[in-house]
Amino acid sequence: SQTIHQWPATLVQPVGSPLSLECTVEGTSNPNLYWYRQAAGRGLQLLFYSVGIGQISSEVPQNLSASRPQDRQFILSSKKLLLSDSGFYLCAWSKETYTEAFFGQGTRLTVV
Amino acid sequence: GENVEQHPSTLSVQEGDSAVIKCTYSDSASNYFPWYKQELGKGPQLIIDIRSNVGEKKDQRIAVTLNKTAKHFSLHITETQPEDSAVYFCAASLYNNNDMRFGAGTRLTVKP
Repeated sequence: SQTIHQWPATLVQPVGSPLSLECTVEGTSNPNLYWYRQAAGRGLQLLFYSVGIGQISSEVPQNLSASRPQDRQFILSSKKLLLSDSGFYLCAWSKETYTEAFFGQGTRLTVV
Repeated sequence: GENVEQHPSTLSVQEGDSAVIKCTYSDSASNYFPWYKQELGKGPQLIIDIRSNVGEKKDQRIAVTLNKTAKHFSLHITETQPEDSAVYFCAASLYNNNDMRFGAGTRLTVKP
């Protein structure tokens, strides 16, 4: 069966510090991978998606970047965090377009 | 791009009553409409989905209806139970596109 791992579960970082959130998928190959952000009381905002190694599409201009160094690994990064980067970050995968997306447990990031 | 609006933002019902959540979408090319349930501190999980070639789908106490002409779809939960309390998200996906647009979410509270 397929599983998705996302870590850490919670993170408190000072303004201006770097960020690295990691997501890995097991039990499948060549998945579509996604990073979403969920602000408090709001919906899910798509940040990045990837259809293959090294292929990253960005939906929203921002302080964040994503990379996919391996087929089942997706990393969300920032060189310098802003207060506005606080939120709940979710990694997800799907086998194909137009199919169910499976979400990780999320990372709650607080920038102080 | 696609824009999904969801109403209401909060919904409180008595146990045993029905709950209805409505969503509208803007792009008539969208053809996949999933509904996700998110419990506190967890990632969203798919509860039901519908594709544009059908108008209604039912799974036990949960049903989804789709009106392509009006570009809206709804989630119906009958005989609600306290464990149905969660945040529910609708989403719409465009054919051959790798992103899924989510509504802002509905916080459902079922009072025992």
